[in-house]
Amino acid sequence: EAGVAQSPRYKIIEKRQSVAFWCNPISGHATLYWYQQILGQGPKLLIQFQNNGVVDDSQLPKDRFSAERLKGVDSTLKIQPAKLEDSAVYLCASSLRIQNRRLEHEQFFGPGTRLTVL
Amino acid sequence: KNEVEQSPQNLTAQEGEFITINCSYSVGISALHWLQQHPGGGIVSLFMLSSGKKKHGRLIATINIQEKHSSLHITASHPRDSAVYICAVRWAPDKLIFGTGTRLQVFP
Repeated sequence: EAGVAQSPRYKIIEKRQSVAFWCNPISGHATLYWYQQILGQGPKLLIQFQNNGVVDDSQLPKDRFSAERLKGVDSTLKIQPAKLEDSAVYLCASSLRIQNRRLEHEQFFGPGTRLTVL
Repeated sequence: KNEVEQSPQNLTAQEGEFITINCSYSVGISALHWLQQHPGGGIVSLFMLSSGKKKHGRLIATINIQEKHSSLHITASHPRDSAVYICAVRWAPDKLIFGTGTRLQVFP
């Protein structure tokens, strides 16, 4: 099966500009996650979707970050306006499928988008 | 104190050496994951453990639930093993807490 797809792979912008990232999860996966990974740290959850509904956005800086998952498949994450501290790798992951009549929660990660804010 | 601690933070080795990376956690978990992250950023799952030991090729992962500790071993290390290794614990069915990672460099 195809993995989690993300684009772009790299993005360089100036502070105060806007940027958007796109994620296509594994087919059939109901849950989609966006993580932010700052250099030298582990990934931090920004937002979690179950189908097209938000399950957890408690750590999303809502004054500048927004995300949507229309139709419960693809998702976009937007930053507007960007700050220097937003420089990070943005990882998308998906999970939750039925295998052998059991719910499987293992997360599968995309290649990430490396954002540099100058 | 972080809920998931890894050690060491950085590790260098000569090709062929045996490598151990440790992970300790302080929360109740249902599973522990070892992940590999290459410089491009993408993460690949190596192991998912809830007890005992798993082996895949030159990689071995162990977990001691009572001591809340896991280790990842690489036997006969190779330069292509150079990556960041991340421990992540599943504290809810759909929630992970990640360690900060161990950066491994293996020199020929």
